[in-house]
Amino acid sequence: DAKTTQPPSMDCAEGRAANLPCNHSTISGNEYVYWYRQIHSQGPQYIIHGLKNNETNEMASLIITEDRKSSTLILPHATLRDTAVYYCIVRPSQGGSEKLVFGKGTKLTVNP
Amino acid sequence: SAVISQKPSRDICQRGTSLTIQCQVDSQVTMMFWYRQQPGQSLTLIATANQGSEATYESGFVIDKFPISRPNLTFSTLTVSNMSPEDSSIYLCSVEDPWGTGSEQYFGPGTRLTVT
Repeated sequence: DAKTTQPPSMDCAEGRAANLPCNHSTISGNEYVYWYRQIHSQGPQYIIHGLKNNETNEMASLIITEDRKSSTLILPHATLRDTAVYYCIVRPSQGGSEKLVFGKGTKLTVNP
Repeated sequence: SAVISQKPSRDICQRGTSLTIQCQVDSQVTMMFWYRQQPGQSLTLIATANQGSEATYESGFVIDKFPISRPNLTFSTLTVSNMSPEDSSIYLCSVEDPWGTGSEQYFGPGTRLTVT
């Protein structure tokens, strides 16, 4: 079973920041937080991951609370193409050989 | 990033028949994964396929129903056997980062299966 809890849906205005929350209160010390997204009719796409420090890449920023029990994915300037289901996943390894356990995710709709 | 292709992209099949889905990667990878996504649902892992060994199946999935082949480091097949309407899903393969520099998995575009 997925070890994360996410709101089922969110809306965001185009050009504004989208902040997607995730609760992972049972996360272990060696588990990473990963974010993937799935645009309609496509396979999931990796976004970002982190252990305890905040992370930023060209797609998004990941903010992890100090107790690591929750995190927030930030899309700084959402576009219509960011409309997708966003999955928050915890897994015990940084390597790509560990399986991914997908929860229900958050369906983000970016509105014009 | 790894480029993954799947064949067929979609198919409509009759119950009782079998369909083999192919997954081709443009780089050599050790591990490949097969997922199922039922209509309106999230992804569920079916099995993990390593080259040179038998696939490892998740709870609820068995080899007789979903036989998997992994003949080399760039290719795998998943067969959906003796299909029923409940097998109507999107089937996706994914691979680990082939260069080991990142942590992500890459996913194919999926095969949309409808069983009538």
